[in-house]
Amino acid sequence: AQSVTQLGSHVSVSEGALVLLRCNYSSSVPPYLFWYVQYPNQGLQLLLKYTSAATLVKGINGFEAEFKKSETSFHLTKPSAHMSDAAEYFCAVSDLPGGYNKLIFGAGTRLAVHP
Amino acid sequence: DAGVTQSPTHLIKTRGQQVTLRCSPKSGHDTVSWYQQALGQGPQFIFQYYEEEERQRGNFPDRFSGHQYPNYSSELNVNALLLGDSALYLCASSLKQTGETQYFGPGTRLLVL
Repeated sequence: AQSVTQLGSHVSVSEGALVLLRCNYSSSVPPYLFWYVQYPNQGLQLLLKYTSAATLVKGINGFEAEFKKSETSFHLTKPSAHMSDAAEYFCAVSDLPGGYNKLIFGAGTRLAVHP
Repeated sequence: DAGVTQSPTHLIKTRGQQVTLRCSPKSGHDTVSWYQQALGQGPQFIFQYYEEEERQRGNFPDRFSGHQYPNYSSELNVNALLLGDSALYLCASSLKQTGETQYFGPGTRLLVL
């Protein structure tokens, strides 16, 4: 069975500081990994996805994530936080590219950005 | 190009009642998945519809059922509502042929009193 663990339910950073949101996964097959963002009272928006190509994946809004098989991790980073980055972030895993199969989500990390 | 739309946006029901939630997929998409997101938690997969049939199901009781129409739109029905069914219900659509990533709608927030 697949699972996702997001370390830290709440992360707070200063505007301009590095953002690091942690995600570890468990999967018995090569995983497909995703990061989604959810703004208040909205649905989920895809930030980026790993589908077995390059291990460093660049997404929208300056975010990127690195797939590390040896550490079973897929941490999300952004060099410089902006106030508009404040939202809930979800890491998800699937055993298929994402259109076919169900996504297994972590519990989420709420990112706060303060001036 | 319209994205995934869901209706209604909010709904209040009482225990024991039945509810129907609706979803229209993104233009060109043929697969619809439903997720339940309880407060403070990540979304959980309920089921997926393709070609008007339920193809996959998560760990949800039979009180949760669905339907997909020939135009690919979908409904989620929940019978005998429980307080614990209060959640944000998310619909996601994708195109089966390409395995493209699922696109999510804004959700329907259901409150069961």
